[in-house]
Amino acid sequence: DAGVTQSPTHLIKTRGQHVTLRCSPISGHKSVSWYQQVLGQGPQFIFQYYEKEERGRGNFPDRFSARQFPNYSSELNVNALLLGDSALYLCASTLKWGSLGTDTQYFGPGTRLTVL
Amino acid sequence: GDSVTQMEGPVTLSEEAFLTINCTYTATGYPSLFWYVQYPGEGLQLLLKATKADDKGSNKGFEATYRKETTSFHLEKGSVQVSDSAVYFCALSDQTDSWGKFQFGAGTQVVVTP
Repeated sequence: DAGVTQSPTHLIKTRGQHVTLRCSPISGHKSVSWYQQVLGQGPQFIFQYYEKEERGRGNFPDRFSARQFPNYSSELNVNALLLGDSALYLCASTLKWGSLGTDTQYFGPGTRLTVL
Repeated sequence: GDSVTQMEGPVTLSEEAFLTINCTYTATGYPSLFWYVQYPGEGLQLLLKATKADDKGSNKGFEATYRKETTSFHLEKGSVQVSDSAVYFCALSDQTDSWGKFQFGAGTQVVVTP
């Protein structure tokens, strides 16, 4: 079975631009989470979606938004890009949400965003 | 809030040496604990997990035991190989908080030399 896929692999943008990152979860997984990983640091939680609804949001500005589609794929949008948005953006999927015994998150390879 | 603290790297070892990476956590509820590994240029791969106190997770020769009394989840491997060179992340997910929100440590880089 295919794992979590993300596109594009790499992206270069300039300050003030907008970017859309895409993620397809593992087949059968209904929950998608997004993380930002700045070089040399651990991933920071941005959003989680389950059944097309936002279930969690991290401490990120409103320039960051996301959505989940009926096929459970997801998009992360970032407006008015800043230099500090340069990072590896990771998508993770889980089979279920809200169950006793937290489900494992499976990560995609990430999208490397560079803002110039 | 919840947090994870890992020992700083890089940790440099010779092949066949014993590896320990310390991880301690702070959580208000009953977290599940995880170790993920990240190879250069790649995403995170689950290495092992434990969902309750005294559980031991193991995989590929790596082990970690969930110690509630010391709020720790230290990663160990008895004999490392060059292929174990990577960055290791300790993480928790608190069942009483947001289910999908994983809290990660800063990561520990491990370098194994022949």
